[in-house]
Amino acid sequence: EDKVVQSPLSLVVHEGDTVTLNCSYEVTNFRSLLWYKQEKKAPTFLFMLTSSGIEKKSGRLSSILDKKELFSILNITATQTGDSAIYLCAVSCGKYSGGGADGLTFGKGTHLIIQP
Amino acid sequence: DSGVTQTPKHLITATGQRVTLRCSPRSGDLSVYWYQQSLDQGLQFLIQYYNGEERAKGNILERFSAQQFPDLHSELNLSSLELGDSALYFCASSVGAENSPLHFGNGTRLTVT
Repeated sequence: EDKVVQSPLSLVVHEGDTVTLNCSYEVTNFRSLLWYKQEKKAPTFLFMLTSSGIEKKSGRLSSILDKKELFSILNITATQTGDSAIYLCAVSCGKYSGGGADGLTFGKGTHLIIQP
Repeated sequence: DSGVTQTPKHLITATGQRVTLRCSPRSGDLSVYWYQQSLDQGLQFLIQYYNGEERAKGNILERFSAQQFPDLHSELNLSSLELGDSALYFCASSVGAENSPLHFGNGTRLTVT
């Protein structure tokens, strides 16, 4: 059975700290791994990773994929209170009937709380 | 703002009833996806449509159905509602090409009483 596991499930740090969020997966027919940030409403797209070892970076956020070890990390440096959110990892693996390329399997998320 | 529009934002209804959730994808996106998010299950993929045709089906109950219309908007129909159907229902859209990211709407919060 395909699965995506995120750790930790929750994390509380102080403003200015650096955090690393983990995502491991076991899926067949892997296509890509995506990170989303979910605050009160819609998950917001952060990164899509398809190749091992190539870091994606956006401001203080960065992410990398290891397809050999089947995991990805999301790093946030110099955290701010606005970074408080649930961070979701999802994998596109074409597992669903009909061969749909983009149905995503999500992990349960890491609930990150940044304290002032 | 992702550009994906969902209505209504909130819906409260009784068990046994039927409701329809509506989604308008981002301009230019051909694929529409429906997800259910509950506290214990996380985001669960229900169904995907591409340019009016069903493309992939996930953990969608037989009591639920969806369609995508020629103007590319989509509707998710939930019938014979049960208490356990209470959840946040998200619609997402993408251009539909392989490895194109999904962009989510703000969701419809369904409460079944």
